[in-house]
Amino acid sequence: QSVLTQPPSASGTPGQRVTISCSGSSSNIGSNFVYWYQQLPGTAPKLLIYRNNQRPSGVPDRFSGSKSGTSASLAVSGLRSEDEADYYCAAWDDSLSGRGWVFGGGTKLAVL
Amino acid sequence: QVQLQESGPGLVKPSETLSLSCTVSGYSINTGYYWGWIRQPPGKGLEWIGSIHQSGSGYYNPSLKRRVSISVDTSKNQFSLKLTSVTAADTAVYFCARGGIGPAQGWFDPWGQGTLVTVSS
Repeated sequence: QSVLTQPPSASGTPGQRVTISCSGSSSNIGSNFVYWYQQLPGTAPKLLIYRNNQRPSGVPDRFSGSKSGTSASLAVSGLRSEDEADYYCAAWDDSLSGRGWVFGGGTKLAVL
Repeated sequence: QVQLQESGPGLVKPSETLSLSCTVSGYSINTGYYWGWIRQPPGKGLEWIGSIHQSGSGYYNPSLKRRVSISVDTSKNQFSLKLTSVTAADTAVYFCARGGIGPAQGWFDPWGQGTLVTVSS
């Protein structure tokens, strides 16, 4: 059971806008930045969004991140076939049981 | 540009110690960043194992802390992972990655390609 909660799957047709949610708590998302990673099939994860809503150079502006309270979202607009991948949210957790990085369980995005 | 490459045995017997190294190229490990290990069991999600600073200061996943140690060798520009008393549940692809300038700061980027470690007799 992951500390951050994501829907296991999401889907959309080419050109559509899809959002993926990530729910946490006051000890992680509520008090720290959220990061998003994209993992294409058979490859290593790649940083997609940092510090809630910042895009690294080279990441298309079709990808955007947001955070509100203890939840965060990743939006993909103008969906393309090459966006089919697994998406993971992550945050630092300052819980009493131990500090460290926590990930969501991942969301598999299908482009129909 | 920064590149990371994991290396180590692909098969480990139950109860033994898993040992992996991550070689960093194109960048000095002595630049104040944390360097981390993350794993992914087959068909499952990502799990942070731990991160270490060039100084040797490290942070570990509380659920693995008893069995994990991460060390850094600045002369080889490498950092290493040891996981003791492994079971089948430790079978996973193990990734190394550069972290941030503080344990809670920054993000994992870039990542190595990952190496599959299977625990089986």
